[in-house]
Amino acid sequence: DAKTTQPNSMESNEEEPVHLPCNHSTISGTDYIHWYRQLPSQGPEYVIHGLTSNVNNRMASLAIAEDRKSSTLILHRATLRDAAVYYCILRDVYYGGSQGNLIFGKGTKLSVKP
Amino acid sequence: EAGVTQFPSHSVIEKGQTVTLRCDPISGHDNLYWYRRVMGKEIKFLLHFVKESKQDESGMPNNRFLAERTGGTYSTLKVQPAELEDSGVYFCASSQDLGGYTEAFFGQGTRLTVV
Repeated sequence: DAKTTQPNSMESNEEEPVHLPCNHSTISGTDYIHWYRQLPSQGPEYVIHGLTSNVNNRMASLAIAEDRKSSTLILHRATLRDAAVYYCILRDVYYGGSQGNLIFGKGTKLSVKP
Repeated sequence: EAGVTQFPSHSVIEKGQTVTLRCDPISGHDNLYWYRRVMGKEIKFLLHFVKESKQDESGMPNNRFLAERTGGTYSTLKVQPAELEDSGVYFCASSQDLGGYTEAFFGQGTRLTVV
């Protein structure tokens, strides 16, 4: 089962920032926080990941709480193309058994209004 | 650099027939994963190859599914015989390393419809 909790859906207006929350209260010290998204009729796409510090890349920013029990994916200016299902996934830094794979939950369906 | 490619993009077969899905990972990626999403459900892990070896096949639903990765390059997933409940979208992913510090790259998926 997924070890993260996300809202089922969120709405945003185009050109506005979007903050997608994720709770992972049982996170271990060796878990990385990964975000993927799935656009309609496409495969999941990597967005960003981090361990403890906030991270930025060309797609988004990841803000990680100090206790690491929650995180927020930030899209600075939502576009219509950002409408997708966003998945927050924990992935252990060490490989062992089935921990190499990604465990997808239901994710958050983001709608972007023009 | 080419991404993960999957063939075919769509397949419609009759119940009882055989279908083979193919995945070409990103060159140099030793780790290859198969996932699938059946109607209305979440994306589920099927199995994981490290090079040509099956590292974890705990997600394979039953023995009608056979995955291979000869030579550690491309992989095939065969369903024989196909059943109605096998309908869904099958995704392949690859990654360079195993640890949580690396990302996985997914293909566009193969939509399988069993009628």
